[in-house]
Parts: sequence; structure tokens; C-alpha cells
Amino acid sequence: QITLKESGPTLVKPTQTLTLTCTFSGFSLSTSGVGVGWIRQPPGKALEWLALIYWDDDKRYSPSLKSRLTITKDTSKNQVVLTMTNMDPVDTATYYCAHKGIAAAPGVFDYWGQGTLVTVSS
Amino acid sequence: QSALTQPASVSGSPGQSITISCTGTSSDVGGYNYVSWYQQHPGKAPKLMIYDVSNRPSGVSNRFSGSKSGNTASLTISGLQAEDEADYYCSSYTSSSTYVVFGGGTKLTVL
Repeated sequence: QITLKESGPTLVKPTQTLTLTCTFSGFSLSTSGVGVGWIRQPPGKALEWLALIYWDDDKRYSPSLKSRLTITKDTSKNQVVLTMTNMDPVDTATYYCAHKGIAAAPGVFDYWGQGTLVTVSS
Repeated sequence: QSALTQPASVSGSPGQSITISCTGTSSDVGGYNYVSWYQQHPGKAPKLMIYDVSNRPSGVSNRFSGSKSGNTASLTISGLQAEDEADYYCSSYTSSSTYVVFGGGTKLTVL
């Protein structure tokens, strides 16, 4: 059974750096073809893909946020960490991590975490 | 502005069929069979309903089907049920630097 869970601060101040951790179980991020992605959703708005890391440490980022994002993995801990610098109120959103399966195309996320709401406010 | 264009809302009565469109370009929807669809109920995480244009993950009702023609993909829900009322998002791989794009979402109302 694959599960993912996001953790991190619920409130950050403008200009601060956000660090979110995705802790997962039921799969290994050392298995060929597997990936973990981050997707966010501002309140009442659409989903927005942020970043994706593969089993081989290949990393992909949304071009519009690439300069602010870093995604890393710790295979031994079954964790993926996303950092986003210079947070702004427009970054207020629910942040999800999600699993990309072995045979799945890029961007096909078959298991999702419950999401964590991050509010950016002074 | 989302990279993929979806209607903001659609509606239908129980038992009817509805179709949600998702329009992109030859760099994403039209160029690859990598369109997926997600269902999201209020306050819940998205759920994968269709992948690779027309494939259903295990456990997803066969009332949900996907197709594609040119740069437009479609999600059809037949035999509408009250539980189908939700937001639906399409997504696609793109050969542009964006890599993964989502649509703006469609709110389905079951009348």
C-alpha cells in the first residue's frame, strides 16, 4: 500500500524559505522509473506542478519557479524534500506530494498525499 | 493562466453523460498520448481517473472514459451519479521546458 504524507510549517513570513518534507511508504525511490513530485493549489484555484525527482536523481522544475525551488531525496529515509525560497503571499497554497509509477508517463501521479496548507503572511 | 484550457463548468442530470474538454497544443496534448485526468472533491487530494489518454487505473469505474483528437483531449462520464460532482483537471506531458502542465479545472455539477 502506497502512502505519502507532507509535513512542514503551516505559516511562513514573506521572504522566508519554505521547507516541506514528503515521507512515503509502500515503494522505494531507488526503483527504476519511480518518481515523486510536488504540486500546489492556491485556495479556490487550479493545480500547479512544481517539481519532480526520479529514482536516478534526475530533477525537473517548473520553469516559472525554477530559480526558487530545490528538490532532493533521501532514499534511506523514504523522504523527498522541497525547498522554496523568497516566499510571497501569492505562494499561499495547499502543497501536495505525489508518486509517479514505474510505467507512468511524466506527470502521471497515481498516489497523492493529503496535502498541507501553507500560508504566507507577516 | 493555465497551459491547458478546460471549460470552467459543466453540468448534467443523474444518468446522463457529460464530456469535459482539454485543449492544448502540438507540444503537449496533440504531440503525445500522455494526457491524464484527475477528480478532486472539496477538501480532498486529487485522484487519478485516466492516464495515457484512455487508460483507467484499477478501481476506477468504467463510467469514466478518455479520448483525444488532435490537440484536444476529452473526459466522458456516463451514467452520471451524485458522487461524480467534483472538480476535474487534465494534465499532460509537454516537450517544452514546462515538462508537466495542468488545465484550469472544470467544476462538474450534478443537477
